[in-house]
Amino acid sequence: DAKTTQPTSMDCAEGRAANLPCNHSTISGNEYVYWYRQIHSQGPQYIIHGLKNNETNEMASLIITEDRKSSTLILPHATLRDTAVYYCIVRVAPRWYNNNDMRFGAGTRLTVKP
Amino acid sequence: EAQVTQNPRYLITVTGKKLTVTCSQNMNHEYMSWYRQDPGLGLRQIYYSMNVEVTDKGDVPEGYKVSRKEKRNFPLILESPSPNQTSLYFCASSSLYPPGTSGTNEQFFGPGTRLTVL
Repeated sequence: DAKTTQPTSMDCAEGRAANLPCNHSTISGNEYVYWYRQIHSQGPQYIIHGLKNNETNEMASLIITEDRKSSTLILPHATLRDTAVYYCIVRVAPRWYNNNDMRFGAGTRLTVKP
Repeated sequence: EAQVTQNPRYLITVTGKKLTVTCSQNMNHEYMSWYRQDPGLGLRQIYYSMNVEVTDKGDVPEGYKVSRKEKRNFPLILESPSPNQTSLYFCASSSLYPPGTSGTNEQFFGPGTRLTVL
């Protein structure tokens, strides 16, 4: 699986958009970009994933560059409850024969401030 | 409500006293997995299971056992706990796509079990 690079920490004002970058310059054509977050020692929570198109769901948007070497997770209106560690993970899509483990790195610690 | 449950949530024990951490999911997922999380080391996979009676080692299996007798349950067993197994443990589950189909899926994580071995 491709390696990812994320900033160690970021701050964001409450109500503003939080833009979390991730570099994955060695990503392969069959690898997806996944985002999870972990709120203060709770179990990690899935946010969104994508292959090459931009994706949006009720939690966030994922913007993947055309060359797929980097991506940005966008929380459009950050709240205090979005304070968490955000993990960008690149891996092939899980299949019935795969070990579906997620390789969590250090992530980005996002602090949303009032 | 779809969920993964773990028990106990907190446990303090002594070296050598066998313990079991239970994990149960109500989503009929084939795949289940155990992770441990330690400061500076991130989440590391201990064991995983692709289906009933099918288990395999992850990255850090030493000192642990698992079983998968039922689809919904995947207990983690520490036969003789040691202080270096003091950690935060997470169970996770997900569906697996059968041959001929494709898709991406998410892993659902339990709330965690904080284990201290004295």
